[in-house]
Amino acid sequence: KNQVEQSPQSLIILEGKNCTLQCNYTVSPFSNLRWYKQDTGRGPVSLTIMTFSENTKSNGRYTATLDADTKQSSLHITASQLSDSASYICVVSAEGNAGNMLTFGGGTRLMVKP
Amino acid sequence: NAGVTQTPKFRVLKTGQSMTLLCAQDMNHEYMYWYRQDPGMGLRLIHYSVGEGTTAKGEVPDGYNVSRLKKQNFLLGLESAAPSQTSVYFCASSLRAYEQYFGPGTRLTVT
Repeated sequence: KNQVEQSPQSLIILEGKNCTLQCNYTVSPFSNLRWYKQDTGRGPVSLTIMTFSENTKSNGRYTATLDADTKQSSLHITASQLSDSASYICVVSAEGNAGNMLTFGGGTRLMVKP
Repeated sequence: NAGVTQTPKFRVLKTGQSMTLLCAQDMNHEYMYWYRQDPGMGLRLIHYSVGEGTTAKGEVPDGYNVSRLKKQNFLLGLESAAPSQTSVYFCASSLRAYEQYFGPGTRLTVT
């Protein structure tokens, strides 16, 4: 069964600090991995998407890494801001054109305090 | 360009009542999805559609029905609501199996 595990479940950091969120997956055959940000009361919004051949991808202060051999990904947030407080969801897509090929992680809830 | 919209935003139902959630997208996307999100769990796929007039079951389809009569709309129906269907429901759309765009969600409580 395809699974995506995220850690930690929740995290509190001070504004300006860096943090790293982890995602481990057992999805096969692997197609791509996405990180989404979900603000409270809103739908998820895509931050990055990475394919098998990509190791690192940045989007402003967000940097995602992918190790396809160990089936691990991380999302690093630099110089955190209060607006980074949200849930971060790792989503792994299996190959295929059907609409049921996504496996969602449970998310990491990040709180940035002043 | 409104993206993906959902109505209603909130709803309280009594056990056994029925209702329909509406999802609309203006991006001309082929694929549309309905998910539910429960505390501590990842988004779970209820039903999805790969084109107008087509629907398919996802991971947790029991107790729900869907219809895709128009390309831009995807309806989710609950025929006889149960407390276990208390959840936040998200609709999403995508251009084929690429990045999904999510709506703002519908918070449903069944008492």
